[in-house]
Amino acid sequence: QSVLTQPPSASGTPGQSVTISCSGSSSNIGSNTINWYHQVPGTAPKLLIYNTSQRPSGVPGRVSASKSGSSASLAISGLQSEDEADYYCATWDDSLNAWVFGGGTKLTVL
Amino acid sequence: EVQLVASGGGLAHPGRSLRLSCAASGFTFDDFAMHWVRQAPGKGLEWVAGISWNSLSIVYVDSVKGRFTISRDNAKNSLYLEMNSLRTEDTAFYYCTKGSTIAARRLGWFAPWGQGTLVPVSS
Repeated sequence: QSVLTQPPSASGTPGQSVTISCSGSSSNIGSNTINWYHQVPGTAPKLLIYNTSQRPSGVPGRVSASKSGSSASLAISGLQSEDEADYYCATWDDSLNAWVFGGGTKLTVL
Repeated sequence: EVQLVASGGGLAHPGRSLRLSCAASGFTFDDFAMHWVRQAPGKGLEWVAGISWNSLSIVYVDSVKGRFTISRDNAKNSLYLEMNSLRTEDTAFYYCTKGSTIAARRLGWFAPWGQGTLVPVSS
């Protein structure tokens, strides 16, 4: 069972918007910045969002993220087939003294 | 271009040892912390261990404490993971990844990631 809770799946049709949630506690999301990674099955994960809401170069503007209290969310608008992947939130946990990941959300573009 | 190439994976029996290596290139290796993250087949990501730029700060997930040792050789631009007393639940792809700061704790993010090396633990 992961320290950070994500829905196991999410879906949308091309052009739609989807939001993926990541719920934690005061010792992790509530105290630290959040990073999001995405992974196409069979390949290595890649950084999608850093410092809670910053996009690395190459990540389109239709990808955004935010945090409120002990929860974070990732939003993708204008869904495209290339967005199909697994998405993971991650942060540092002050109580566990460890980096923690969410369980992952499989995004399907219908 | 930053490259991380992990090696050393392969079938291991329960209770035995294995040493993973990660060769880094394309960046100033001793300016950054480094980490190992694993992924059991069909499962999610689990951070395993992190080491600061100068090896003075090292952190582990509880499940590997006392069994795994992370280390680095800045002269060789290399990261290592010594895995002892392997268990079947250690079966996973092991990814090496670069931290974004000198610190292994609390700050930053992981990017990029190497291609991963598979460690199946089975009798």
